[in-house]
Amino acid sequence: GQNIDQPTEMTATEGAIVQINCTYQTSGFNGLFWYQQHAGEAPTFLSYNVLDGLEEKGRFSSFLSRSKGYSYLLLKELQMKDSASYLCAVRDLNAGKSTFGDGTTLTVKP
Amino acid sequence: NAGVMQNPRHLVRRRGQEARLRCSPMKGHSHVYWYRQLPEEGLKFMVYLQKENIIDESGMPKERFSAEFPKEGPSILRIQQVVRGDSAAYFCASSPQTASYEQYFGPGTRLTVT
Repeated sequence: GQNIDQPTEMTATEGAIVQINCTYQTSGFNGLFWYQQHAGEAPTFLSYNVLDGLEEKGRFSSFLSRSKGYSYLLLKELQMKDSASYLCAVRDLNAGKSTFGDGTTLTVKP
Repeated sequence: NAGVMQNPRHLVRRRGQEARLRCSPMKGHSHVYWYRQLPEEGLKFMVYLQKENIIDESGMPKERFSAEFPKEGPSILRIQQVVRGDSAAYFCASSPQTASYEQYFGPGTRLTVT
């Protein structure tokens, strides 16, 4: 099975940088995803890491260390619209099933 | 190109009734995934289907829940004899055959059992 841990809540200031951590223990691993979910809406895909290292995409970056079972999502130049829940998910070896963490609710303050 | 469509968006059922949730994947996508999200919680995997096949149903409750993805038409998640604990948001996601890691989510169906 999979066990995924991420902080429940975080608060940051507009324009700042925030790092959301995710640790996982898995019986199989085929990639790690980050999704953004605004209240009452569907999750939207942010990033996918399958190899160790940093993937940068605009203001968002995602890092993976498979040996440590650790990932983080880095958000730069925070905007008010970044206030949302950020979900970390690990994909099983069979490339179908993904296990999600409970999400980190990020609040961006002026 | 229309995204993943789910209907209804909101569904209210009394205890003991049946709930049918529909999901039309994105055009060209042949893989469908169903997830359930309870309030203040993350998404929980329920079932993974391809056309006419259930690939992984390890997240489905053993009783009252079933899913199908027929050759023609949308994928259906059926919940029989609903109970209050079934109240949740049910999300469907789809992915293309050639890049199964790209999951695109629908807007969800919010089921309320009274």
